[in-house]
Amino acid sequence: GENVEQHPSTLSVQEGDSAVIKCTYSDSASNYFPWYKQELGKRPQLIIDIRSNVGEKKDQRIAVTLNKTAKHFSLHITETQPEDSAVYFCAAHDSGSARQLTFGSGTQLTVLP
Amino acid sequence: ETGVTQTPRHLVMGMTNKKSLKCEQHLGHNAMYWYKQSAKKPLELMFVYSLEERVENNSVPSRFSPECPNSSHLFLHLHTLQPEDSALYLCASSQDGTSGQETQYFGPGTRLLVL
Repeated sequence: GENVEQHPSTLSVQEGDSAVIKCTYSDSASNYFPWYKQELGKRPQLIIDIRSNVGEKKDQRIAVTLNKTAKHFSLHITETQPEDSAVYFCAAHDSGSARQLTFGSGTQLTVLP
Repeated sequence: ETGVTQTPRHLVMGMTNKKSLKCEQHLGHNAMYWYKQSAKKPLELMFVYSLEERVENNSVPSRFSPECPNSSHLFLHLHTLQPEDSALYLCASSQDGTSGQETQYFGPGTRLLVL
């Protein structure tokens, strides 16, 4: 099955700076990689996803990059704001019998004003 | 948000109790999921239902028993739980559930404490 590792587990940045969260995966056949954001006391929500036929995808201040050869993908948040403070989870599609998402352990991002 | 709702939001139970968690989705989706979220750990997939048929059971102990009477409702029946089962239980839904490549919409979760 798929194994996803996420780093760092905690990240603090000054408001306005950029934040980068990295994930590696094990299943070379995985082709779908979503990122979920979970604010304190709230439900996880999809913020961006990428499929293996592209190397980068952007949505305003958020971007995701994918390196299939190295089997890693990253979330980039530019011009961070206090409301970006949350736990971010990466996930990778398991192409095996499960055919479901395997999640990383999460990154607590704190944006300091 | 009313897309996916869960009740109760908080639950305290003893190890000999029997309780049920309820999830309802109002998105017209065909797949529903149960996840366990413990502190500092990845979301753990427990069960997946697609068109009311269980398609995934991730080696979950039998003290957790899911039920999906229709595509809008999902239950998790709990009995003789252990303290290590204390966690946030999240329900989610998606359009299909057979590919693993769709957006999943989560409910607010049930915070469970087993004493």
